[in-house]
This record gives sequence, C-alpha cells and structure tokens, in this order.
Amino acid sequence: GIQVEQSPPDLILQEGANSTLRCNFSDSVNNLQWFHQNPWGQLINLFYIPSGTKQNGRLSATTVATERYSLLYISSSQTTDSGVYFCAVDNTDKLIFGTGTRLQVFP
Amino acid sequence: ETGVTQTPRHLVMGMTNKKSLKCEQHLGHNAMYWYKQSAKKPLELMFVYNFKEQTENNSVPSRFSPECPNSSHLFLHLHTLQPEDSALYLCASSQQGSEGYTFGSGTRLTVV
Repeated sequence: GIQVEQSPPDLILQEGANSTLRCNFSDSVNNLQWFHQNPWGQLINLFYIPSGTKQNGRLSATTVATERYSLLYISSSQTTDSGVYFCAVDNTDKLIFGTGTRLQVFP
Repeated sequence: ETGVTQTPRHLVMGMTNKKSLKCEQHLGHNAMYWYKQSAKKPLELMFVYNFKEQTENNSVPSRFSPECPNSSHLFLHLHTLQPEDSALYLCASSQQGSEGYTFGSGTRLTVV
C-alpha cells in the first residue's frame, strides 16, 4: 500500500517563528489533506490539497503531485498552534495517515 | 461541531462488558469510516462503509463489530475487549469522488 512519511517528527518553536512541515508519499493520490489534532483528540481539517497551493490566514500548503510531496507552512506561530499535524492521502477510497509532526510553540 | 457527531466522548469498560460507539453524520456523505488511534502509533483504518455496504475490514479482531444501518449512522459494537484496545476511536465520513474527509471528535476508550 501507499506509504506516507512526515518530517520532522517533532518541532519546538518560540511564538512568532515560522515553520515548514513536509509530507512525502509513495504513489499518486486522489486526495491529500492536512489535519491539526488538538489536545482533546479532535482532528481539524486544515486543507484539502491534492495539488497546487492554498492559503488560509497564517497557514498555507503546497502539493507537488508529480514529485509526491506536500508542504505545510505556518507563519508567525502562536501557542494555540501546538498539537500534532497529520498529512493523509487517499488513492483507493480510503485515507491513509502519516505518523505526524508534533509541534510545540512556547511563549 | 464538524457535522460528524460521536458518542460517548469517554468510555471506561471492563473486559467482560458489551458496549457500543455511535457515529452520526449530517453532511449527506455516502461513505463512513472507523479509525483507531493508539498511543505512539499512527491512525489505523479499521472499517470502511460505502453506501451502507462494508468495503474494507482491515484485519480487525472479531471483538469489534461494525454496523451501518443507513448512510448517516455507523456503530462499533465492542465485546470482550482487552486492555490493549484502549485508544481513541475516530469516525469519519466522505463523499467519495468529492472533496475531503470530515472527522468526529472521537471516543476515548479505556478497557480495565
């Protein structure tokens, strides 16, 4: 099956810093989503982005489908950005998750 | 709320109990999923239902029994669980061929 790798596994930032999270996948995909999991376990959909670039406030994402990777950019990070960020891909009508990047933002 | 509602939010059960987790989606989606998230492990797909028909059983033990009576409701029936089954159980829905999956808030299950 398709493999999804995320890097870095852990990231510690001071408030106000910028960061880039990466997701590599091993096969072509129909769907790619970025999620933020908050401390209570809720998975919040950040982007549906099988290709191209999208922006939502301080967050933006780019997927280069031909090269099988996606990037999530967080600018001017805030403590509320802390949590685990997951990339998930779908190529056979089921969503497969990467292992996540745990982000901690300190004031 | 995301449009996918899971109940209960927390559940503690003994190994001899029988309990059920419930998921309801209000998005008009045609597919529903159960995922399991254990500590230190990635989210694992358990079951897929497409138009109420089970299309995927990802080698899940028979002590987990899913039920999908209609395209808006999904249950996970639990019986004789083990402590290692303690985890966060997440339900999701999607409109296959369309945009994105939506997740519920999850049920945090503890087996004692």
